[in-house]
Amino acid sequence: QKEVEQNSGPLSVPEGAIASLNCTYSDRGSQSFFWYRQYSGKSPELIMSIYSNGDKEDGRFTAQLNKASQYVSLLIRDSQPSDSATYLCAVNMISFSGSARQLTFGSGTQLTVLP
Amino acid sequence: DGGITQSPKYLFRKEGQNVTLSCEQNLNHDAMYWYRQDPGQGLRLIYYSQIVNDFQKGDIAEGYSVSREKKESFPLTVTSAQKNPTAFYLCASSIGGTSGASYNEQLFGQGTRLTVL
Repeated sequence: QKEVEQNSGPLSVPEGAIASLNCTYSDRGSQSFFWYRQYSGKSPELIMSIYSNGDKEDGRFTAQLNKASQYVSLLIRDSQPSDSATYLCAVNMISFSGSARQLTFGSGTQLTVLP
Repeated sequence: DGGITQSPKYLFRKEGQNVTLSCEQNLNHDAMYWYRQDPGQGLRLIYYSQIVNDFQKGDIAEGYSVSREKKESFPLTVTSAQKNPTAFYLCASSIGGTSGASYNEQLFGQGTRLTVL
């Protein structure tokens, strides 16, 4: 079974600090990686996508990908209380039936930013 | 504004009933997906469709059915055969399909929360 693993948390950081969220995946052939933010009771919102090794920055968010280590992370700089949410890592992987690639989600990391 | 609309937001079902969840998108996306989310868990794929009049089972298709008669619409029916249907159901769409090295970004509707009474 192909898997995406995240630390479930909860992760608490003070306002203004850097929050670091980590994700590992089992399918070495994966090519596309996504981070979604999900507020309580709401649907996931895409915040970052990354396809190549290295860093990708978008505002206060930086995604980091290391395919050799099968590891993807999300850094949130200058964390704000409004960043408090569950962050889902998603990776395109061979499907359960083995017939196609599909997006596989981790169980999410709950982040709380303390004022 | 372009987006994905799911309805209803909340749905209550009696045991033994079939219910249908609506999903409509005006993004001109080819691919559409249905996921289920249980408390404290990630999303699990129920069905997906890459093109009109074609759809594929995901990891947990048992007890569910779908249709894709129009590009814009991908309704999900939760049948009485689904033993534990209480969950948060999410519809998503993407520009392309599920195959190929570059996977297209999926955008989500606001979800339907189904409760079995």
